[in-house]
Amino acid sequence: SQTIHQWPATLVQPVGSPLSLECTVEGTSNPNLYWYRQAAGRGLQLLFYSVGIGQISSEVPQNLSASRPQDRQFILSSKKLLLSDSGFYLCAWRRLAGETGELFFGEGSRLTVL
Amino acid sequence: AQSVTQLGSHVSVSEGALVLLRCNYSSSVPPYLFWYVQYPNQGLQLLLKYTSAATLVKGINGFEAEFKKSETSFHLTKPSAHMRDAAEYFCAVTPFGGYQKVTFGTGTKLQVIP
Repeated sequence: SQTIHQWPATLVQPVGSPLSLECTVEGTSNPNLYWYRQAAGRGLQLLFYSVGIGQISSEVPQNLSASRPQDRQFILSSKKLLLSDSGFYLCAWRRLAGETGELFFGEGSRLTVL
Repeated sequence: AQSVTQLGSHVSVSEGALVLLRCNYSSSVPPYLFWYVQYPNQGLQLLLKYTSAATLVKGINGFEAEFKKSETSFHLTKPSAHMRDAAEYFCAVTPFGGYQKVTFGTGTKLQVIP
């Protein structure tokens, strides 16, 4: 069976510090991968998605970036955090075309920027 | 283009009462539709999905939803609310074929009153 893991689960960082959140999927190959953010009262915002190694699409211009160094690894980064980067970050994966398209989510990483 | 509207950001029901969470969608092509549940500080879990087979879809935890094309709706129901149903619920849509972006509603927080 497939599983998805995110870490760290909780992070408190000062403004201007760097960020690295990691997501790993097991039990499948060549998944589509996604980073979402939940800010209070704003629902789910798609940040990045990837259809393959090194292929990243950005949905929202901001000071965050994403990378996919391996097939089942997806990393969210920032060089300098802003207060507005606080939120709950969710990684998700889905199978390729021909499936029914549902997303499977990780446990989430809560980031607080002070 | 596609969109999802969830009516009511907060819904309160008494334990044992009917749960009805509303979702209306807009899609230029036949959609796949999903309901997810999120408990505090956790990721999203798939409750059920509509993928053009039966219009009445049964999911986990006693929930079901009915796809009504004429009303462009996919409302979530449960005959009798339980305390453990208190969570946030998200409706989502993706075009038929399932390999394009998934669009989420803004969520509905369900409160269950003892």
